[in-house]
Amino acid sequence: GAGVSQSPSNKVTEKGKDVELRCDPISGHTALYWYRQSLGQGLEFLIYFQGNSAPDKSGLPSDRFSAERTGGSVSTLTIQRTQQEDSAVYLCASSLAGGSLGNQPQHFGDGTRLSIL
Amino acid sequence: QQQVKQSPQSLIVQKGGISIINCAYENTAFDYFPWYQQFPGKGPALLIAIRPDVSEKKEGRFTISFNKSAKQFSLHIMDSQPGDSATYFCAAKSQTGTASKLTFGTGTRLQVTL
Repeated sequence: GAGVSQSPSNKVTEKGKDVELRCDPISGHTALYWYRQSLGQGLEFLIYFQGNSAPDKSGLPSDRFSAERTGGSVSTLTIQRTQQEDSAVYLCASSLAGGSLGNQPQHFGDGTRLSIL
Repeated sequence: QQQVKQSPQSLIVQKGGISIINCAYENTAFDYFPWYQQFPGKGPALLIAIRPDVSEKKEGRFTISFNKSAKQFSLHIMDSQPGDSATYFCAAKSQTGTASKLTFGTGTRLQVTL
């Protein structure tokens, strides 16, 4: 596709369950970012990938959160033992390059709306 | 610690009027300041961006004014239209080694009335 694709678009699950959120970046984009957007709040940075490595994981809120990226493309954000405070929209963005290679714009997907019952 | 403060939280402007959204930052290491526009149910989309060595940038009806000494920047939407009704986020980019990330403001919900 032409843009960043995220799936599922909506996810409702029970407290304590694990969830996996998927992000397909724009083809050729080496940098990938995950953000969390809570109601009425700005976007909270979670993790950044350059290729398959994650030089910055500083935004992951707890060890229940993890992310991986394979083949320099698709990324999965996993939340284990979900809690109600995990309810939010999880947004993925990609760009041509992160780091010091210029101010490449980040292109966002439409997010996964996660609701924990 | 909120590193980018955005105001107002919401804004109502009449069609044809000027919408002004302000942001202030604390980290002098920020080196790039984009604005994003977000419609309900959609991801944010880059609107316009500025580097700190420039005081103003204009693209169509959208202008960023940047005051480096005051550590403030603002978005001006001229001739505001109902289609501009959306949530606007300012952001600031920081660099740590090879990693860069955006720190976002909390957003301004703009409503343009007829």
